[in-house]
Amino acid sequence: QLQESGRGLVKASETLSLTCTVSGASISANNPYWVWIRQPPGKGLEWIGSVYYSGSTHYNASLESRVSMSVDTSKNQFSLKLTSVTAADTAVYYCARAIRKLGMLPLDIWGQGTKVTVSS
Amino acid sequence: DIQMTQSPSTLSASVGDRVTITCRASQSISTSLAWYQQKPGKAPKLLIYRTSILESGVPSRFSGSGVDTEFALTISSLQPDDFATYYCQQYLDYSWSFGQGTNVEI
Repeated sequence: QLQESGRGLVKASETLSLTCTVSGASISANNPYWVWIRQPPGKGLEWIGSVYYSGSTHYNASLESRVSMSVDTSKNQFSLKLTSVTAADTAVYYCARAIRKLGMLPLDIWGQGTKVTVSS
Repeated sequence: DIQMTQSPSTLSASVGDRVTITCRASQSISTSLAWYQQKPGKAPKLLIYRTSILESGVPSRFSGSGVDTEFALTISSLQPDDFATYYCQQYLDYSWSFGQGTNVEI
């Protein structure tokens, strides 16, 4: 299971910080990629980035200058930081797992999502 | 970046109908495509990956097809539990992107 946590209200220009806790298995089991996705109110899904269990990262080019992700294997957690937030970053943020299945990486386990609102 | 375009955006259907949602990629992705179902207030759920492989526990009325840039999700006989929003998603070179979603409504 995955569970997101973090502040639900962030002021504009500040940094959004979220953590996803993995329970029921080791964060490195099945060589996973850990992924963050967001969904603005009433809109579709946007991939933010991914972090491999060993720490290597890949980010959405549109957010790359503001995003960082990391893994803490000792706590079975991975995290997201998004700097200089604006109202456009208001969304439900999901963490998810991707493991290799027949050569691709579908998102097979998702957290319940956490709503983050950016206030002015 | 690879853009994914779904059609239609909204689909009105009845229980028992056969429905098909299409998804087009802006460049070839071979068969590196997945489909998700999302209900209001819930996280998306993986239905199909590698274009046509059903995730464990997904009913057999769901099926997927396609290759390169043209893909489809078909529900053979729509059930009450299937009214939801469906997203296609491509994966290529450590990058994921989603279609804009198709809302299947009564």
